Amino acid sequence: GAGVSQSPSNKVTEKGKDVELRCDPISGHTALYWYRQSLGQGLEFLIYFQGNSAPDKSGLPSDRFSAERTGGSVSTLTIQRTQQEDSAVYLCASSPGGTQGKNIQYFGAGTRLSVL
Amino acid sequence: AQTVTQSQPEMSVQEAETVTLSCTYDTSESDYYLFWYKQPPSRQMILVIRQEAYKQQNATENRFSVNFQKAAKSFSLKISDSQLGDAAMYFCAYIRNNAGNMLTFGGGTRLMVKP
Repeated sequence: GAGVSQSPSNKVTEKGKDVELRCDPISGHTALYWYRQSLGQGLEFLIYFQGNSAPDKSGLPSDRFSAERTGGSVSTLTIQRTQQEDSAVYLCASSPGGTQGKNIQYFGAGTRLSVL
Repeated sequence: AQTVTQSQPEMSVQEAETVTLSCTYDTSESDYYLFWYKQPPSRQMILVIRQEAYKQQNATENRFSVNFQKAAKSFSLKISDSQLGDAAMYFCAYIRNNAGNMLTFGGGTRLMVKP
């Protein structure tokens, strides 16, 4: 597609359930990022992929959070046993990577997660 | 660690007027990029303008320009001839110049444009 696509756009779940959030980056972009945007914490980095590997997982808030990327393209962020504090907008971004990327990240419209 | 601070939670401007949004940052690096992103209610972050730290010349994109003061670690955004469509959250962001580094964001400034 022309831009970064995220699904679902909105997700409502019950506390304790698992959720999967999907990100489809811009075609050809090798770098992929997940961020979380919440009222109390602002925009926080979660994880970065270069190709299929994740050299930087430093932002994942707990072991309930995991992410994978297959085929150097689509990524899924999984939150297990969701808690109310997980409620936030989860943003995905992609970048061409390398010097040509000029460090610009292109964002999707995010998934708004509400944990009841 | 790098930090980015936006001291103005909200700003208001009259349509067609000029407004300046403030941003300061802290880093020990010398090679980095700074950005302003716009986030309308649709939630999608849109890149407004980018500045390379090694360039002394301030970046300009149509009605948007920056005042980059490297020594002071200041990076303000000026919006000229404000339009109703400029109303949004604006985020200042920093990234170290190395492929794969994360963006560090400020807390954001909500810009309201009055007709």
